[in-house]
Amino acid sequence: KQEVTQIPAALSVPEGENLVLNCSFTDSAIYNLQWFRQDPGKGLTSLLLIQSSQREQTSGRLNASLDKSSGRSTLYIAASQPGDSATYLCAGKAAGNKLTFGGGTRVLVKP
Amino acid sequence: DGGITQSPKYLFRKEGQNVTLSCEQNLNHDAMYWYRQDPGQGLRLIYYSQIVNDFQKGDIAEGYSVSREKKESFPLTVTSAQKNPTAFYLCASSIDPPYGELFFGEGSRLTVL
Repeated sequence: KQEVTQIPAALSVPEGENLVLNCSFTDSAIYNLQWFRQDPGKGLTSLLLIQSSQREQTSGRLNASLDKSSGRSTLYIAASQPGDSATYLCAGKAAGNKLTFGGGTRVLVKP
Repeated sequence: DGGITQSPKYLFRKEGQNVTLSCEQNLNHDAMYWYRQDPGQGLRLIYYSQIVNDFQKGDIAEGYSVSREKKESFPLTVTSAQKNPTAFYLCASSIDPPYGELFFGEGSRLTVL
């Protein structure tokens, strides 16, 4: 059974610093891995989707990498801004078309 | 513009009552999903459907029911058999499962009084 872990659960950084968010998964036979952002009381917004055949995806200040052999994905957010404050979740899609979510990392970017 | 619409946004229910949460998408996606989110427990899959008139139980289906009569609609009924229904419910959809990107609605918060 796929298990997805995100450590740390919370992170606080000063504005302008680069953010590094970690995601670990146990089943390397994933179809893809997706990163989401969630603001309080809101739904999830898709940030990046990495297929199993890809090593990374980029969108603006965001870059996500995928290493199936080590069971890790990393989301990098360059030059963080207070507007980046949110909870970030990763989720791996494995057999049975099931998406397994990590517990999320709550990020606070201080002005 | 395209998206996923969940309603109502907030819902209060008395114990013993069934309630139905609506989820509509105009993205022409084949697959639709219902998740439940509780503080400290992350998102858990309740039901999912890959095509019309077909759906499968997720990890926590007990006390819930769904239907998929139309491609764009996937309503969730929270029955009185659900022991702890107070939660944030999220509907999602994707095209071309399992490879497609998952998109979410804004969620429905159910509170049992």
